[in-house]
Amino acid sequence: RKEVEQDPGPFNVPEGATVAFNCTYSNSASQSFFWYRQDCRKEPKLLMSVYSSGNEDGRFTAQLNRASQYISLLIRDSKLSDSATYLCVVYRSGNTPLVFGKGTRLSVIA
Amino acid sequence: DGGITQSPKYLFRKEGQNVTLSCEQNLNHDAMYWYRQDPGQGLRLIYYSQIVNDFQKGDIAEGYSVSREKKESFPLTVTSAQKNPTAFYLCASQVGHATEAFFGQGTRLTVV
Repeated sequence: RKEVEQDPGPFNVPEGATVAFNCTYSNSASQSFFWYRQDCRKEPKLLMSVYSSGNEDGRFTAQLNRASQYISLLIRDSKLSDSATYLCVVYRSGNTPLVFGKGTRLSVIA
Repeated sequence: DGGITQSPKYLFRKEGQNVTLSCEQNLNHDAMYWYRQDPGQGLRLIYYSQIVNDFQKGDIAEGYSVSREKKESFPLTVTSAQKNPTAFYLCASQVGHATEAFFGQGTRLTVV
């Protein structure tokens, strides 16, 4: 089982739709969680950190469920500009690097 | 302007040649990483360094080498032993454990 797993998609949704992505992680000692966005042929950029209590940034909401070991990202009122690949990222502990999921591709259609 | 800079943006290599990709950061970050991304694929970790003069192999280190002589610099050499080096290479840095990573704009390497 991969350490961080995401549904690769693609998710094709109309403008204005609400879309949710899930990500599961296998290491229960994982401490920090992030969502990154990567546009085609560009570098990944931090979208938001994920806190235990959940957090919201405009149209984006991130949730963490430690008991079930999954993280979610909800995008409301999708825009064409939201089309990208969304990467789930997990930090385990100690002197270890961040672990990236393979990403979920989103296409928002007019 | 603080940030992480990779150069060159595009690089062409002949088979059998070694090439070095540059990564410099002025963010005073301790940790630096090199990832490889193939078309339609996720990021795979090549090497990482948590401190100057120390680095560890990632999942796909074979055919690559790195050095970390200065905190701000983490160059990656793609050697002739790397049989399929054509890919998008991304460098990242991180201020410390459990924090987010910041990426450079990447180097697109093509073997001709």
